[in-house]
Amino acid sequence: AQSVAQPEDQVNVAEGNPLTVKCTYSVSGNPYLFWYVQYPNRGLQFLLKYITGDNLVKGSYGFEAEFNKSQTSFHLKKPSALVSDSALYFCAVTSPLLLSSFSGGYNKLIFGAGTRLAVHP
Amino acid sequence: GAGVSQTPSNKVTEKGKYVELRCDPISGHTALYWYRQSLGQGPEFLIYFQGTGAADDSGLPNDRFFAVRPEGSVSTLKIQRTERGDSAVYLCASSPEAGGPLFEQYFGPGTRLTVT
Repeated sequence: AQSVAQPEDQVNVAEGNPLTVKCTYSVSGNPYLFWYVQYPNRGLQFLLKYITGDNLVKGSYGFEAEFNKSQTSFHLKKPSALVSDSALYFCAVTSPLLLSSFSGGYNKLIFGAGTRLAVHP
Repeated sequence: GAGVSQTPSNKVTEKGKYVELRCDPISGHTALYWYRQSLGQGPEFLIYFQGTGAADDSGLPNDRFFAVRPEGSVSTLKIQRTERGDSAVYLCASSPEAGGPLFEQYFGPGTRLTVT
């Protein structure tokens, strides 16, 4: 079964320090991995994705993530946290085996439970 | 440009009533998705439309849930005989086309459904 684990309910970090939000996955076939951020009363916003190629992926707002196939992980990182980064972060996965035969397009994202990031001044 | 919009933003209904939740995707996006997000959880896939057809409805929890997209744009999620367990935030997302994972999903702000 496909699944995503975000082992930390909350991550606390001081402004200016590096941050890491952890994500591990289980999926049949090659994984396509995503990070989304959710601010209060707003929709999920796309941050970055890994499809293929370079294991280090750079995304919006200075975030990056590293795909590690042997550890089945896709941890989100940022070298220097900002107070404005405080939000709820979701890791998600899909794979070619979850593609719809109807359309050929991917359709089903499997999300983790989310990690709340709190950046303190 | 305009993003994905969902109406209403909040809906309170009594147990047993019927509700409709509306999603307006980004103009030109052919793929549309519905997810449900319960408190403290990540979004769970409900149904996926490619154009007017439901390509995958495997996430709908039971036959009280139904969704349509008659003209390939606006979609309506319909819930019959609502139960308290249906209370959640219902999210809609769209993406440009069936192009595999190259196209990320763009999410709306959600409809918070409360069943009393």
